[in-house]
Amino acid sequence: DSGVTQTPKHLITATGQRVTLRCSPRSGDLSVYWYQQSLDQGLQFLIQYYNGEERAKGNILERFSAQQFPDLHSELNLSSLELGDSALYFCASSVGLAVNEQFFGPGTRLTVL
Amino acid sequence: DQQVKQNSPSLRVQEGRISILNCDYTNSMFDYFLWYKKYPAEGPTFLISISSIKDKNEDGRFTVFLNKSAKHLSLHIVPSQPGDSAVYFCAASAGYSGAGSYQLTFGKGTKLSVIP
Repeated sequence: DSGVTQTPKHLITATGQRVTLRCSPRSGDLSVYWYQQSLDQGLQFLIQYYNGEERAKGNILERFSAQQFPDLHSELNLSSLELGDSALYFCASSVGLAVNEQFFGPGTRLTVL
Repeated sequence: DQQVKQNSPSLRVQEGRISILNCDYTNSMFDYFLWYKKYPAEGPTFLISISSIKDKNEDGRFTVFLNKSAKHLSLHIVPSQPGDSAVYFCAASAGYSGAGSYQLTFGKGTKLSVIP
């Protein structure tokens, strides 16, 4: 158990809909990262937050957005969903900004029908 | 454009023998490398890491070797155990020196099967 929690575990929705994925980092960790793992793909970095502020952006679509709240939990919002958004979404956390080792949650499997 | 490549999708090894997983990278800004292990229905678990100022890091049965000139790293597991059967991801960041980003760039993974 990494100490990172993600909810929900599974999510099934329809095209055009909007969903919110939630992540609670390990106790004491200030950085939160979001990754997407599609079929046959490695994990793709989406976005990083540190202590409530956006710090880095990767291959995140404009239809996707995220935020980190004062209690340090983070939410990833996916809107106007398409079939291709079906994937595993992982959240990871690390203790600070200048840390390379990240600890991953169990992931949320999103299925768009 | 894959900046981190794991060219072997799968590897089968006999229990007790050595497992060698390989990873190549193309971005010369990468200065920190990590290996993660992933079981089905779980998130990746951090295994071992190495900074670019070293060429070897060892932790129990796991050793990571870095060849900067070849832009190549490998993970050695000795001896291999059935519980090591999992997907192994190589990852890299450009954040060790503080000049780059701490986001991780992952390879697509190698599925290791350790046969009893």
